[in-house]
Amino acid sequence: QSALTQPRSVSGSPGQSVTISCTGTSSDVGGYNYVSWYQQHPGKAPKLMIYDVSKRPSGVPDRFSGSKSGNTASLTISGLQAEDEADYYCCSYAGSYTLWVFGGGTKLTVL
Amino acid sequence: EVQLVQSGAEVKKPGESLKISCKGSGYSFTSYWIGWVRQMPGKGLEWMGIIYPGDSDTRYSPSFQGQVTISADKSISTAYLQWSSLKASDTAMYYCVRHTSDAFDIWGQGTMVTVSS
Repeated sequence: QSALTQPRSVSGSPGQSVTISCTGTSSDVGGYNYVSWYQQHPGKAPKLMIYDVSKRPSGVPDRFSGSKSGNTASLTISGLQAEDEADYYCCSYAGSYTLWVFGGGTKLTVL
Repeated sequence: EVQLVQSGAEVKKPGESLKISCKGSGYSFTSYWIGWVRQMPGKGLEWMGIIYPGDSDTRYSPSFQGQVTISADKSISTAYLQWSSLKASDTAMYYCVRHTSDAFDIWGQGTMVTVSS
């Protein structure tokens, strides 16, 4: 069982918005603003999409946004496109003993 | 271009040892932590540990402490992940990643390790 809880799957139609949740505890998500999100297409390495809860690296479309409330972080993808279909993983800093933990991943299907 | 290039796929037998590599280029290798992430077939990502090539300071996930060894040779900008005695359950894709202070911004292409008798 992963340290952070994500829904197994979400889906949406092109142009719609979807939100993926990532629930942890006060020892990880709730305790630090070091939540990041990664996109992984089949057979490819993951790619950083969001860091520090809501910051986007250069080159990531502004359709991708992140937020956090308490022990739950969220990734929202607006204006869904077919190319957004992928697995998404959240990750959080979890203190000096555990250091970093991932969520179990969410499969996004664009209908 | 900033990149991490990993060594090729490996097929090993249970009990054998293995060391896979990750070579950084396009940036100051000694200024960033390098980490390793496991992805078992059809499963999610698991953070294994990190090393700071500048001084070889190493940290492990409690789940991987004692199971693997992470090292680095800063003279050739290369980090390593090694096993002394492989098990079938070590079969997975292994990614090296560049750590900033708050995320993993650069990923290697992955090294597939298959352990089978």
